[in-house]
Amino acid sequence: DAGVIQSPRHEVTEMGQEVTLRCKPISGHNSLFWYRQTMMRGLELLIYFNNNVPIDDSGMPEDRFSAKMPNASFSTLKIQPSEPRDSAVYFCASSFLLQDEQYFGPGTRLTVT
Amino acid sequence: SQQGEEDPQALSIQEGENATMNCSYKTSINNLQWYRQNSGRGLVHLILIRSNEREKHSGRLRVTLDTSKKSSSLLITASRAADTASYFCATDVQGAGKSTFGDGTTLTVKP
Repeated sequence: DAGVIQSPRHEVTEMGQEVTLRCKPISGHNSLFWYRQTMMRGLELLIYFNNNVPIDDSGMPEDRFSAKMPNASFSTLKIQPSEPRDSAVYFCASSFLLQDEQYFGPGTRLTVT
Repeated sequence: SQQGEEDPQALSIQEGENATMNCSYKTSINNLQWYRQNSGRGLVHLILIRSNEREKHSGRLRVTLDTSKKSSSLLITASRAADTASYFCATDVQGAGKSTFGDGTTLTVKP
């Protein structure tokens, strides 16, 4: 298996633009997690899904952030409109069960200017 | 405040020395996990220890869990420069759906 796949790996955009981050979890995994990591705030859990259903989105910072998981092999995290303070590395991770070992993707480094 | 907090925040040692980092947590857990993150990369799972286990080994890694003190330690023996990374503990709280990560310990191993 190729592991968790994220795209794009780097994204540079201007304030106000819409940004869509994509994640393909490991086949057979039932849980998917979106994290954000910055120097200031560390690793933050934004939202997680179980069997494609969002379970807890309390970590989503604002209504500008939304996430979907239309099927077991694909998830998106959207920021609309983006702001400079959204600049961070966004990680997607998947696991077989919720409290199992998580496999992290390589991350998307987002820069909003 | 954090469910899992690592200590120290940063640790610098010479190659060949042992490195010990600790994780404390507040509520009862099912499991505790340790992850490593190399600079610019995603986290990599190292080891999972269940609440009914007291010690676990994997290669040069030794993890202990003391549920009475609500703490865990990660020992890396005979450290190498390649062990330079951030190390995170993640607690799997009873009744909660997800693992909760701490802020991490940054380990620097000097050659």
